Amino acid sequence: NAGVTQTPKFQVLKTGQSMTLQCAQDMNHEYMSWYRQDPGMGLRLIHYSVGAGITDQGEVPNGYNVSRSTTEDFPLRLLSAAPSQTSVYFCASSPESATNEKLFFGSGTQLSVL
Amino acid sequence: QKEVEQDPGPLSVPEGAIVSLNCTYSNSAFQYFMWYRQYSRKGPELLMYTYSSGNKEDGRFTAQVDKSSKYISLFIRDSQPSDSATYLCAMSTYGSSGDKLTFGTGTRLAVRP
Repeated sequence: NAGVTQTPKFQVLKTGQSMTLQCAQDMNHEYMSWYRQDPGMGLRLIHYSVGAGITDQGEVPNGYNVSRSTTEDFPLRLLSAAPSQTSVYFCASSPESATNEKLFFGSGTQLSVL
Repeated sequence: QKEVEQDPGPLSVPEGAIVSLNCTYSNSAFQYFMWYRQYSRKGPELLMYTYSSGNKEDGRFTAQVDKSSKYISLFIRDSQPSDSATYLCAMSTYGSSGDKLTFGTGTRLAVRP
């Protein structure tokens, strides 16, 4: 099993550009989520999904869109990149759809917006 | 004031030492407590998961929760260089999918051979 796979690992964008961060898991987990990790801020939840076709906002959703058309995939879209979105992004999934504590994380995408 | 406070370190100890990592929190509604380990340039991985107060042991790791003091700890016995990582505490209130999981900022640990 590959677990949670994120692509790309690194990305540099210019302000105003759009892009999609990919996330796939092969563990048949219903719950998937996106976090950003910034120095001194801890991990913060952007969006989450409890199953295909169901998404909801987390703590810091502005500037990001998600969709969940399959159980395996949960892409994160940056609509118009801003320097404030420079961060490390982690996708995570959980085997328990009713809770979100036992998370399996991907290796992250380091994003820089110039 | 942050909901969860964690000393950023770095904490440097010799191999074989007992390590104590701590978090304090302000929200008395937190009931679920977790410790994640994060190696450099990797995603966090779940180490320990506890519900409410008390101790939980798993090999060289012991998680302790004191809800009366709003204080949680992770003890590592016989520390190894492979334990060098950042340790994140996390906690939540209801254990539901929509419940906000609040993370500490992490403590960097270095175990010297």
